[in-house]
Amino acid sequence: AQSVTQLDSQVPVFEEAPVELRCNYSSSVSVYLFWYVQYPNQGLQLLLKYLSGSTLVESINGFEAEFNKSQTSFHLRKPSVHISDTAEYFCAVSGAAGGTSYGKLTFGQGTILTVHP
Amino acid sequence: DAGVTQSPTHLIKTRGQHVTLRCSPISGHKSVSWYQQVLGQGPQFIFQYYEKEERGRGNFPDRFSARQFPNYSSELNVNALLLGDSALYLCASRRDRDRDYEQYFGPGTRLTVT
Repeated sequence: AQSVTQLDSQVPVFEEAPVELRCNYSSSVSVYLFWYVQYPNQGLQLLLKYLSGSTLVESINGFEAEFNKSQTSFHLRKPSVHISDTAEYFCAVSGAAGGTSYGKLTFGQGTILTVHP
Repeated sequence: DAGVTQSPTHLIKTRGQHVTLRCSPISGHKSVSWYQQVLGQGPQFIFQYYEKEERGRGNFPDRFSARQFPNYSSELNVNALLLGDSALYLCASRRDRDRDYEQYFGPGTRLTVT
């Protein structure tokens, strides 16, 4: 079984400040890790992913996340946030390819990021 | 290309009724999954279908069922609705079940049970 814990339900921050959204996971098998973003009244959009290789992954809009196997974490960071980053962010895990839980996403509870001017 | 589409957008039902939600995947995608997102929580996996066969089921009662059609579209059916079934139901599609990790989500159907 897999589980995901997002340690902060809400994170308020001022524009241009750095932000970190924390995510820890639990799994007995190899996993893929994801961050999704959800804007109001919309579906989920994939922000970035870790499948294998470099433990630091980046998105096109300045977010990055680092896979830490020893701490079973996949925290999301951005050095300088914008008003448009205001949204709910979900960390998710799935089993790696070849396993029975491949393709089945297990999500955390979500973190609402609010960027204030 | 059009993204994943879902219908209806919103739906209000009464306890005990039945509901059918529909999903059309991205063209060329053969795998469809359904998720339930209760207000204030993350999405929970309900079903995964690939080539019209169920390939995974989450921890949901038998009141929940689904099917996938030859054109890869899918329906989620919920019988004997309970107040707790009120949620946003999300559909996601993938090109290939075993070789394509990324799931593309639709905008969802918001179901309210009164």
